[in-house]
Amino acid sequence: NAGVMQNPRHLVRRRGQEARLRCSPMKGHSHVYWYRQLPEEGLKFMVYLQKENIIDESGMPKERFSAEFPKEGPSILRIQQVVRGDSAAYFCASSPPTTGHYGYTFGSGTRLTVV
Amino acid sequence: TQLLEQSPQFLSIQEGENLTVYCNSSSVFSSLQWYRQEPGEGPVLLVTVVTGGEVKKLKRLTFQFGDARKDSSLHITAAQPGDTGLYLCAGAPGGDMRFGAGTRLTVKP
Repeated sequence: NAGVMQNPRHLVRRRGQEARLRCSPMKGHSHVYWYRQLPEEGLKFMVYLQKENIIDESGMPKERFSAEFPKEGPSILRIQQVVRGDSAAYFCASSPPTTGHYGYTFGSGTRLTVV
Repeated sequence: TQLLEQSPQFLSIQEGENLTVYCNSSSVFSSLQWYRQEPGEGPVLLVTVVTGGEVKKLKRLTFQFGDARKDSSLHITAAQPGDTGLYLCAGAPGGDMRFGAGTRLTVKP
């Protein structure tokens, strides 16, 4: 049973380009969460999605950032017109519908570097 | 202000020593989780505590949930270099999990 799969593991983008980060949740998990982590810091919540629905996007910047979790396929975190401050590790986690408060399964993250 | 305050922020000890790290909040949680994160990887769930006053043991790690369900502690006995990592506590006051800033533990051989 594969865990949470994130790709790419590393992504380099020039300022002004778009970054697309993908997350495939564990089999049977319908809830997806995205977090951002800066070096030497903890995890900052960004967005919580279920299939075809954004449940909570209170942690996501209003400009340039968007997320989706379509009926088919992985969840996508999209960052338009990237800036150097977007450089960070982005982690995706998933949980089944009824046990989210009992722990998440995380992917290995995507490390975004903006040059 | 962080919802979950973790202390200490950094801890460096010798192999074989004991240590305790703390996770505190002014909010009440139905459960708290502890994760460990190693460099270059995502956090891995260690334990979930649910009942106030609950104590859970995982080999040399002992987790306690405060009676009022506002705080938790992690005690490691006879630390080993393999225990090195970032220890994060997390709780879900609403629909999604929020994390403390973590305690970065280094165990020197």
